[in-house]
Amino acid sequence: GAVVSQHPSWVICKSGTSVKIECRSLDFQATTMFWYRQFPKQSLMLMATSNEGSKATYEQGVEKDKFLINHASLTLSTLTVTSAHPEDSSFYICSARDGRTTNLEQYFGPGTRLTVT
Amino acid sequence: DQQVKQNSPSLSVQEGRISILNCDYTNSMFDYFLWYKKYPAEGPTFLISISSIKDKNEDGRFTVFLNKSAKHLSLHIVPSQPGDSAVYFCAASLSGAGSYQLTFGKGTKLSVIP
Repeated sequence: GAVVSQHPSWVICKSGTSVKIECRSLDFQATTMFWYRQFPKQSLMLMATSNEGSKATYEQGVEKDKFLINHASLTLSTLTVTSAHPEDSSFYICSARDGRTTNLEQYFGPGTRLTVT
Repeated sequence: DQQVKQNSPSLSVQEGRISILNCDYTNSMFDYFLWYKKYPAEGPTFLISISSIKDKNEDGRFTVFLNKSAKHLSLHIVPSQPGDSAVYFCAASLSGAGSYQLTFGKGTKLSVIP
């Protein structure tokens, strides 16, 4: 159980275009989903927290107009990188919490490698 | 300022021996700690967790020890296997905060030598 999928697993896009990344909880209801970014040899940096049906909460320094997050259902959250630039190239990972429990464990997707040319 | 620190970026251990991965934290309000394992180009996989009301939690070959006074926790893997080679992240959380956010360390790359 507790499987999270992410799509696509990798994407290459041109500078100025937008890219959408999907995160799905496959066998549980994810009331809370998280989006992280990881640079090489660095930790997972939390970008934003999204709760189903409400606006995402962004961490300091993360532009909410650039990284659009939508959590429209209990099994799906999307991250759209708008007007992507080469500095947005990174590994983006989502995670989800099982809303039926009080556990703090987050279950992670496999990640999306974004390359902006 | 990093609130969760993993000061050893890498560790090499012989197969069959014990692997000890360390983690220190600075925020005394953290009361729930987790270890994740991550292979390259994959998302982290949850391994084991511990609440601050305990000082030890064991699950098979994995044991996590918590020393609250020293703000230190460690993950022991016994016996180490080649398949354990991965990056291990320590994470901490405030269980009463309601945000369910995790603060991660930078990770320690474990290499288990056959």
